[in-house]
Amino acid sequence: GAGVSQTPSNKVTEKGKYVELRCDPISGHTALYWYRQSLGQGPEFLIYFQGTGAADDSGLPNDRFFAVRPEGSVSTLKIQRTERGDSAVYLCASSTSPQETQYFGPGTRLLVL
Amino acid sequence: AQKVTQAQTEISVVEKEDVTLDCVYETRDTTYYLFWYKQPPSGELVFLIRRNSFDEQNEISGRYSWNFQKSTSSFNFTITASQVVDSAVYFCALISSGSARQLTFGSGTQLTVLP
Repeated sequence: GAGVSQTPSNKVTEKGKYVELRCDPISGHTALYWYRQSLGQGPEFLIYFQGTGAADDSGLPNDRFFAVRPEGSVSTLKIQRTERGDSAVYLCASSTSPQETQYFGPGTRLLVL
Repeated sequence: AQKVTQAQTEISVVEKEDVTLDCVYETRDTTYYLFWYKQPPSGELVFLIRRNSFDEQNEISGRYSWNFQKSTSSFNFTITASQVVDSAVYFCALISSGSARQLTFGSGTQLTVLP
């Protein structure tokens, strides 16, 4: 079956702009996660959804970051007033349930100029 | 709080050599799961293995093997007879019952296999 897909694969924006990153999880996976990976580092947790609700958003760095999953499938990560420090690869993962294996998408590489 | 340490930042070996990647973890929970992921140059994280804290049996899958030792809080990964295609960054990760479902990753080990 299809894996986790993410769009766009690359996004270049200017400081201060708004961006949306999309994640389409594996069909049937109720748990969805967003991570951020900076160069030379391991991924860092941002937010976890179980169904439509954000069960844990403790990793979001500040209130410029927000994510939704309105129908329990596709999720969108939204970043307002982007800053150069937001440049990173944003990874999405999904799993059948919490603590089961998380399968990752190819990521969106965000560059803020 | 939980933590994963991969002390080896970079390792370089010649093809056909065996190589072991180290992983040390910290958690206060008694129920937890350990993972290894591979990240080739293409960037996508590829799942390799998942082990739970109650199963200390070592595991072998082809050229890959994993050694889980709770006494030393380690979950090491060995590649036997390495190949150039094994070149990638390898991440060890931990999720525990108290971690609210978030994976905690180590900083990764860059493995380069030379022909």
